[in-house]
Amino acid sequence: DGGITQSPKYLFRKEGQNVTLSCEQNLNHDAMYWYRQDPGQGLRLIYYSQIVNDFQKGDIAEGYSVSREKKESFPLTVTSAQKNPTAFYLCASSIWAGGEDEQFFGPGTRLTVL
Amino acid sequence: KQEVTQIPAALSVPEGENLVLNCSFTDSAIYNLQWFRQDPGKGLTSLLLIQSSQREQTSGRLNASLDKSSGRSTLYIAASQPGDSATYLCAVVGNQAGTALIFGKGTTLSVSS
Repeated sequence: DGGITQSPKYLFRKEGQNVTLSCEQNLNHDAMYWYRQDPGQGLRLIYYSQIVNDFQKGDIAEGYSVSREKKESFPLTVTSAQKNPTAFYLCASSIWAGGEDEQFFGPGTRLTVL
Repeated sequence: KQEVTQIPAALSVPEGENLVLNCSFTDSAIYNLQWFRQDPGKGLTSLLLIQSSQREQTSGRLNASLDKSSGRSTLYIAASQPGDSATYLCAVVGNQAGTALIFGKGTTLSVSS
């Protein structure tokens, strides 16, 4: 089955820890994205990547880092510099079609700071 | 900066009603608009994609329209069912941040039997 997988489903982080959220897609999509969702707010863009070995900051990139070493993988690291990381994290991907592409989302990872 | 607004924030209807969800955006220079459904604690499911050259898209009981000049889109749900209860999100792709989506805060729909 083609799709986007995210792991883990739930993640708990202690103060001062870095944690990494996994996102994998087998749709052969060029572009991948990370969004953050907080209660009562819309999804906000953290990072996006349109091609391997290249990525760009979104609106709320501070305290986060990413890598794109393979087309199918776009892991997100939440560093200790992120002051309020408790949120629902969603990964998405799309074919690069100059903006007319449809985005597909994974099931999400819920991160809680202990 | 592009902003997306969805009205109403919440809506409760009895089963069988036809209903309309509204989405507005401030910058008409968009590439496309997507409507999503989100169930509690789950990811987003794409419902309809309307490209900038299109006026509407239909899928089953769902019909979405796009009026770029006025910065508006509507999602029409016919003959609502309890299984339609979810949060519906509208998002646009504009000239900012590559092809990343800019989202509204959603409309939470509750359909009672």
